[in-house]
Amino acid sequence: SAVISQKPSRDICQRGTSLTIQCQVDSQVTMMFWYRQQPGQSLTLIATANQGSEATYESGFVIDKFPISRPNLTFSTLTVSNMSPEDSSIYLCSVERGTEAYEQYFGPGTRLTVT
Amino acid sequence: AQRVTQPEKLLSVFKGAPVELKCNYSYSGSPELFWYVQYSRQRLQLLLRHISRESIKGFTADLNKGETSFHLKKPFAQEEDSAMYYCALISSNTGKLIFGQGTTLQVKP
Repeated sequence: SAVISQKPSRDICQRGTSLTIQCQVDSQVTMMFWYRQQPGQSLTLIATANQGSEATYESGFVIDKFPISRPNLTFSTLTVSNMSPEDSSIYLCSVERGTEAYEQYFGPGTRLTVT
Repeated sequence: AQRVTQPEKLLSVFKGAPVELKCNYSYSGSPELFWYVQYSRQRLQLLLRHISRESIKGFTADLNKGETSFHLKKPFAQEEDSAMYYCALISSNTGKLIFGQGTTLQVKP
């Protein structure tokens, strides 16, 4: 398994501001993922963060709104920029690791409320 | 389009009763399917995957290609099974996980 931590665990932010969420893994991993879980809805993949290259964004998500950094194989950040109340959500990072493909481990999540 | 559907938002059963959490998928080809679980105040974690055909915590899930289903079953529910359950598949286009909407299982004493 992988031990994944996220900071902050929760935050309340004002609209128009930005928040950077950190994800730390206890070992080196190739692929890290960022998900959003809006209230009452399923998990939606925002982007895939690979070390040494630009993040790959899913349809409906853009780099200007959700810039991602991946400076090394154990760390990534997701920034939620120019926030609005619609960005209120739980943001999760996950890593792909295990003996079989696509076995993902999730962080505890960051609960963001935008007022 | 590749999609996972969990028709029930909430399933409430009594302890000892059988449980079936429904999952249907839309996929062309042979899907790789998973069940993830999130217990209260814990992180989302992998419960089981269809290719390993294992039983975890008494839960099993069988892939039924004819019905395009991957229902999660347990013959006798326990209170500690209360959690949010997500069905997911791997997209053949992107190699990424696609999650269903999730079902909250509530096991009453």
